[in-house]
Amino acid sequence: RKEVEQDPGPFNVPEGATVAFNCTYSNSASQSFFWYRQDCRKEPKLLMSVYSSGNEDGRFTAQLNRASQYISLLIRDSKLSDSATYLCVVYFGNEKLTFGTGTRLTIIP
Amino acid sequence: DTGVSQDPRHKITKRGQNVTFRCDPISEHNRLYWYRQTLGQGPEFLTYFQNEAQLEKSRLLSDRFSAERPKGSFSTLEIQRTEQGDSAMYLCASSSIVSGNTIYFGEGSWLTVV
Repeated sequence: RKEVEQDPGPFNVPEGATVAFNCTYSNSASQSFFWYRQDCRKEPKLLMSVYSSGNEDGRFTAQLNRASQYISLLIRDSKLSDSATYLCVVYFGNEKLTFGTGTRLTIIP
Repeated sequence: DTGVSQDPRHKITKRGQNVTFRCDPISEHNRLYWYRQTLGQGPEFLTYFQNEAQLEKSRLLSDRFSAERPKGSFSTLEIQRTEQGDSAMYLCASSSIVSGNTIYFGEGSWLTVV
């Protein structure tokens, strides 16, 4: 089983819709969680950290469920500029971040 | 620009040749990471430095790969006797205690082995 698993998609979603991604992780001792965004042929960039209490940043909401070992990302009122690959990232406490394979999102006009 | 910088951005090399990539991290960051990413995959961890000490190496890092960070500032990643399977984007990232576990990536070095 992979340490971090995501549905690779692609998700094709009409502009203005709400879309949600889930990500599961295998190590219950995982310490920190993040969502990174990666545009085509560019480097990953931090989108948001994921806190136990859940957190929101504008149209983006991240949730953590430690009992079920998954994190989620919700994007409301999606924009064309949201088209990208979204990477689920877990810090297991061994000084490195472990990335999922990414979920590709395309917002359709 | 005070972000992570990588050089060269693109490299095409013939199979069997050696290549070297350089990474300059954010100046106050003492942690430096190398990742490799192929199409359709997430970044895969290769190695990690804290200051000049190489603290962890992935099993992905075969004996043809070597990384250094001699003065705890910039780092180099060398691939000897390149193979077509080495074609990928090589990403460098850095972080510090202040940034917590958030790492910041450079724009990557694209390697194509022909």
